[in-house]
Amino acid sequence: EIVLTQSPGTLSLSPGERATLSCRASQSVDSNYLAWYQQKPGQAPRLVIHGASHRATGIPDTFSGSGYGTDFTLVISRLEPEDFAVYSCHQYASSPWTFGRGTKVEIK
Amino acid sequence: EVQLVESGGGLIQPGGSLRLSCAASGFTFSNYAMTWVRQAPGEGLEWVSTISGGETTTYADSVEGRFTISRDNSRNTLILQMNSLRAEDTAVYFCAKAPWYNGNNDYFDYWGQGTLVTVSS
Repeated sequence: EIVLTQSPGTLSLSPGERATLSCRASQSVDSNYLAWYQQKPGQAPRLVIHGASHRATGIPDTFSGSGYGTDFTLVISRLEPEDFAVYSCHQYASSPWTFGRGTKVEIK
Repeated sequence: EVQLVESGGGLIQPGGSLRLSCAASGFTFSNYAMTWVRQAPGEGLEWVSTISGGETTTYADSVEGRFTISRDNSRNTLILQMNSLRAEDTAVYFCAKAPWYNGNNDYFDYWGQGTLVTVSS
């Protein structure tokens, strides 16, 4: 099973600042089958990035994903108020499909 | 607009059974694999089970033999039958849509808001 480790656990930033989130896999994620989801309390998770770098429908270009192998990054270049949430990475390369524990992006 | 609405959660005693449903709309349900993902309190997301458009099923080891995923394409409904429930099954259960038919190597492009299952005496 591929274990995904996200860091930091919490990121305290102000609107307008840049957020950099890390997701490290215990073994290589083939074909860059790595996704990121945004989750707010009481709401459905929302797909942000798939294939490590492809923005999902409706996601603004302030969000970007990168990485390959075992190290992946989600960057939010300029935080908007609606971007404060928990972000989880997910590998779908190898069953069982696994998720990271999430990074909370909170308002400083 | 894609909508996924889960129902059927609640408080159940250990060893009991519960049946979750997910009503889907806004897309051709039969053309896509569907998945259940759960999230225990304070924990990360955990994949539970997937059913392909062709009704091939896969399960996490933690639920294999106790949970059964199925789909009713005539009613656009995804189902999770949960038997022999344990305290560690306590979680919010989300249904999620895959972008493809086969159910292999899928991310999840739409999710429901979830239904809470609490297993406790």
